[in-house]
Amino acid sequence: DAGITQSPRHKVTETGTPVTLRCHQTENHRYMYWYRQDPGHGLRLIHYSYGVKDTDKGEVSDGYSVSRSKTEDFLLTLESATSSQTSVYFCAISESSRENYGYTFGSGTRLTVV
Amino acid sequence: AQSVTQLDSHVSVSEGTPVLLRCNYSSSYSPSLFWYVQHPNKGLQLLLKYTSAATLVKGINGFEAEFKKSETSFHLTKPSAHMSDAAEYFCVVTGHRDSSYKLIFGSGTRLLVRP
Repeated sequence: DAGITQSPRHKVTETGTPVTLRCHQTENHRYMYWYRQDPGHGLRLIHYSYGVKDTDKGEVSDGYSVSRSKTEDFLLTLESATSSQTSVYFCAISESSRENYGYTFGSGTRLTVV
Repeated sequence: AQSVTQLDSHVSVSEGTPVLLRCNYSSSYSPSLFWYVQHPNKGLQLLLKYTSAATLVKGINGFEAEFKKSETSFHLTKPSAHMSDAAEYFCVVTGHRDSSYKLIFGSGTRLLVRP
């Protein structure tokens, strides 16, 4: 997806290990989001950021932390991965908080915790 | 709280026949509503959005949706299905006024298109 990249695209990790997923944008958008996608649940918001060093929790934030030291990068960290965190993770960006602005999603990171 | 319900987890149609994907929402104020499509192993693509302008919204690839406040519905339709329409579709509502930047997703409807 133009302007937003996620890395890695796939990762397999062991239970109890730390994992960091990266979202990088070149659009200079203020808002960035991390969602997870699980069958039957659609996408659920984990954390979001409304500016450098400004972040807040979403609906499924337990076990996750985030950091945003630069406008272009938003990192999602699983401090100690668990099998319940096996999921597909999507990053999204938006230019404004106004709902009539569009959201752009990254291509996703498939994380498997074994 | 805002919420959205997609009434069918799977919909199967024949190529060339109409598509109807149903979505009902719950909102304490006039929301913005979206439909996103996700093709296998791909990210999400915006199909169309309603933001309190015209109630009939036209999107990409021939899809359209009608906002009906009295029925709290935002169903997605297309007159004639194409094989390339096979994908998962998500109905999305924005959060409450102070958190209108948050997207709340339905659980998704998987569209199957038979030749």
